[in-house]
Amino acid sequence: QVTLRESGPALVKPTQTLTLTCTFSGFSLRTSGMCVSWIRQPPGKALEWLALIDWDDDEYYSISLKTRLTISKDTSKSQVVLTMTNMDPVDTGTYYCARSRRDDYNQFDYWGQGTLVTVSS
Amino acid sequence: QSVLTQPPSASGTPGQRVTISCSGSSSNIGSNTVSWYQHLPGTAPKLLIYGNSQRPSGVPDRLSGSKSGTSASLAISGLQSEDEADYYCATWDDSLNGHVFGSGTKVTVL
Repeated sequence: QVTLRESGPALVKPTQTLTLTCTFSGFSLRTSGMCVSWIRQPPGKALEWLALIDWDDDEYYSISLKTRLTISKDTSKSQVVLTMTNMDPVDTGTYYCARSRRDDYNQFDYWGQGTLVTVSS
Repeated sequence: QSVLTQPPSASGTPGQRVTISCSGSSSNIGSNTVSWYQHLPGTAPKLLIYGNSQRPSGVPDRLSGSKSGTSASLAISGLQSEDEADYYCATWDDSLNGHVFGSGTKVTVL
């Protein structure tokens, strides 16, 4: 059974760095083709893809946020970590992690429940 | 601004057919497969369609997907009250070298 769970602070102050952790089970990021992405949804707005890390340690980022994002993985802990620097109130929203497989059709077949992050002083 | 364009809303009465469009370009829909997701507030998005028209196990066949050129569509037949949700298309963009989502469509069952 594949599961993903996001964890991190519910509240961060402007200019701070956000660190989110995605802990997953039921698959391994050592398996060829496996990928984990971070996706967010600001209140009342659309889903926005942020970053992806794959089984081969390749990293991909949203062009608009590339300078602020870092994605990494700890395969032994089955975790993927996203850091976002210089947080701003517009970054408020629900942050999801999701699995995809490069050797399939790249769809996000499993998602975490999401974690709400509020940016406020 | 989303890279993929969807109508902001769609509606129908129970039993009707509703179609949602997703418009992109040659670098995304034109060269990669499309997936569709249903999203209810406070829940994780649910995969409905992948590979343009494939349904995961458990998704009813009254949902169908198609793609032509740089556009894709999701059709919901036999509309039910439980279909009231937000729907998003997604694909890979070769120019942006990343995933892209649609702007989202809110489906209302009248």
